[in-house]
Amino acid sequence: DIQMTQSPSTLSASVGDRVTITCRASQSISSWLAWYQQKPGKAPKLLIYKASSLESGVPSRFSGSGSGTEFTLTISSLQPDDFATYYCQQYNSYFTFGPGTKVDIK
Amino acid sequence: QITLKESGPTLVKPTQTLTLTCTFSGFSLSTSGVGVGWIRQPPGKALEWLALIYWNDDKRYSPSLKSRLTITKDTSKNQVVLTMTNMDPVDTATYYCAHMSSTSCYNYWGQGTLVTVSS
Repeated sequence: DIQMTQSPSTLSASVGDRVTITCRASQSISSWLAWYQQKPGKAPKLLIYKASSLESGVPSRFSGSGSGTEFTLTISSLQPDDFATYYCQQYNSYFTFGPGTKVDIK
Repeated sequence: QITLKESGPTLVKPTQTLTLTCTFSGFSLSTSGVGVGWIRQPPGKALEWLALIYWNDDKRYSPSLKSRLTITKDTSKNQVVLTMTNMDPVDTATYYCAHMSSTSCYNYWGQGTLVTVSS
């Protein structure tokens, strides 16, 4: 099974900050990685697929990079609507989600 | 417009079998490349993928839960059904169904349904 880790588990930031979240896979997953945003009581929302492709309708301040085993999600300028939990998910072999990174207000 | 909605019991007893139905609209599960998956989330915890059924009736299951899961589809009714046997309190979670696009990612999700396992 492919295991996913994320760091940090919690991130405190202010509006306008540049935020970076890291996701690591236990083995190479090429670029088969997605990022989701989840707000309390809501279903996850797809942000990025294939490591760096922006899902339609997602603001361009979100970007993804990486390949192999290490990936990053970057929010270029944090907005009030971006305070949420972010999950990475590999789909190279079945599907595995990371443990999540909560972005809260500093 | 793609929508999905989960339905089923909110409370099940330990050892019972859970049956959840995902009713969707806005797409056909006979379209090449499309799938419907189930993902769950225990309260306050991370997402866990459970199962996926493809347009061609191919099925995938979480290796750790495979013996307990069955996923089926009824294309004419636009429904996907997940059954999970031998329910335990640790299976208490919000269960989501989601549309998998040709990118192999889940781009539309249902609102989720909370299932509590308790005697």
